Amino acid sequence: AQSVSQHNHHVILSEAASLELGCNYSYGGTVNLFWYVQYPGQHLQLLLKYFSGDPLVKGIKGFEAEFIKSKFSFNLRKPSVQWSDTAEYFCAVRGGGADGLTFGKGTHLIIQP
Amino acid sequence: GAVVSQHPSWVICKSGTSVKIECRSLDFQATTMFWYRQFPKQSLMLMATSNEGSKATYEQGVEKDKFLINHASLTLSTLTVTSAHPEDSSFYICSAEDNTEAFFGQGTRLTVV
Repeated sequence: AQSVSQHNHHVILSEAASLELGCNYSYGGTVNLFWYVQYPGQHLQLLLKYFSGDPLVKGIKGFEAEFIKSKFSFNLRKPSVQWSDTAEYFCAVRGGGADGLTFGKGTHLIIQP
Repeated sequence: GAVVSQHPSWVICKSGTSVKIECRSLDFQATTMFWYRQFPKQSLMLMATSNEGSKATYEQGVEKDKFLINHASLTLSTLTVTSAHPEDSSFYICSAEDNTEAFFGQGTRLTVV
C-alpha cells in the first residue's frame, strides 16, 4: 500500500517569508500528485497537480511544486507568503491502480502578520 | 470550478441509530464518488469508492455492513452509518471527480452520543 509523508505538522512563518512544505510518497510506479488547501471552515481546494510532463508545476495563488522522481518527493513552495495563506495543506497521491487518493497528515500553516 | 455539496454539515445522533449523509455533484455528473473519514489531527482516510449503478468498493478494514453506500444516480451518493456508536464519531468527507480533478464536499461532522 502506498503512503504519503508530510514532514511538518505545524509551520509558523512571518508574512513575506518563503515557504517550502515537504511531501514524500512511497509508491514506486506511476503516480498522480496533488496539493490541496483547506481554509478554516471551507472545502478542500486543489492548489496544483502533477500528472506528467514538466516536473515543476505552477498552481493557484502563487504556489508551485516540484516533482523529483528519484526522491519520491513533491514539495510545495511559495516565494512570499501572505497572512491569507494560513490554512491546512494536504499532499495526496493516486497510484498503483487505486482510484481514491492517499493523503498525508496535513501541515497546519500559520502566517503571522 | 465544480461544486460538491454534502449534507448535513453536522449531525448528532444517539447510539444505535442510523445516520444518512448525502453527497451531490451540483454541476457535473460523477460515475465515481469517494468517501473519506478524518480523525482529529489525522489525515483523510479513504473508506470506499462509490460507483454509480453498482456496488461500492470498500477499503480494507472498513465494514461494508456498517457503512452502507448507495450511488443511485450520476449526481448523488449516500453514506449511511448504521447502528452508530461513539467510536463512529468523526468527520466524513465525500469527493466527486470530473475528468481532471477531485472536488470535495464541505464534510459532515458526526457525533454519536
